[in-house]
Amino acid sequence: QVQVVESGGALVQPGQSLRLSCAASGFTFSDYGFHWVRQAPGKGLEWMTLISYNGRERYYADSVKGRFTISRDNSEKSLYLQMHSLRAEDTAVYYCARALGGSGSYLWAPLDWGQGTMVTVSS
Amino acid sequence: QSALTQPASVSGSPGQSITIPCTGSNNDIGGLNIVSWYQQHPGKAPKLMIFGVTERPSGASSRFSGSKSGNTAYLTISTLQAEDEADYYCWSYASGNILVVGGGTRLTVL
Repeated sequence: QVQVVESGGALVQPGQSLRLSCAASGFTFSDYGFHWVRQAPGKGLEWMTLISYNGRERYYADSVKGRFTISRDNSEKSLYLQMHSLRAEDTAVYYCARALGGSGSYLWAPLDWGQGTMVTVSS
Repeated sequence: QSALTQPASVSGSPGQSITIPCTGSNNDIGGLNIVSWYQQHPGKAPKLMIFGVTERPSGASSRFSGSKSGNTAYLTISTLQAEDEADYYCWSYASGNILVVGGGTRLTVL
């Protein structure tokens, strides 16, 4: 059974940093790409970043480029999102999602989603 | 402001069919066949219903279908059921190696 579980959400002050983690099980972790997607309270989905199966491809939305970094550890079956210079507008539920595949067109469709972890940026 | 445009809401009666349009540009929907649709119930994680414009993943109901014409993608739900009431989001690969998302459409089953 595929499971994706996010952790690390917290209340932080503007300008601080935070690292989110995502633990996956039930499939061969190193075969798949992953996404981070967020959803502000009462708002729609916002795609932030993705990483290919081997970590060689990493892409970011303009809204987080330069502040957020996606990474993965295939030996630990874990995905990470390092966030710096957090702002009030980064307040959201952050979802980790496994892609349909590891590369190519299948990389661009998140398939299995976690339940999300809440990040609140407030003084 | 979302890169893809969806109607804020649509509605239909049980048993009817509805179609949700999603309009983009030559740089996204019109460029490649990498369009997905997600269903999200309140307080729940999104669920992939359509990928690659027309493909259905395992577990998605056959009542859901996708299509595309030019720069507009469509999600059609046939034989509406009460459980289909949810928010629906379209996604597309866009030039520059990014994903763009529609603002979402609230489906109400009357």
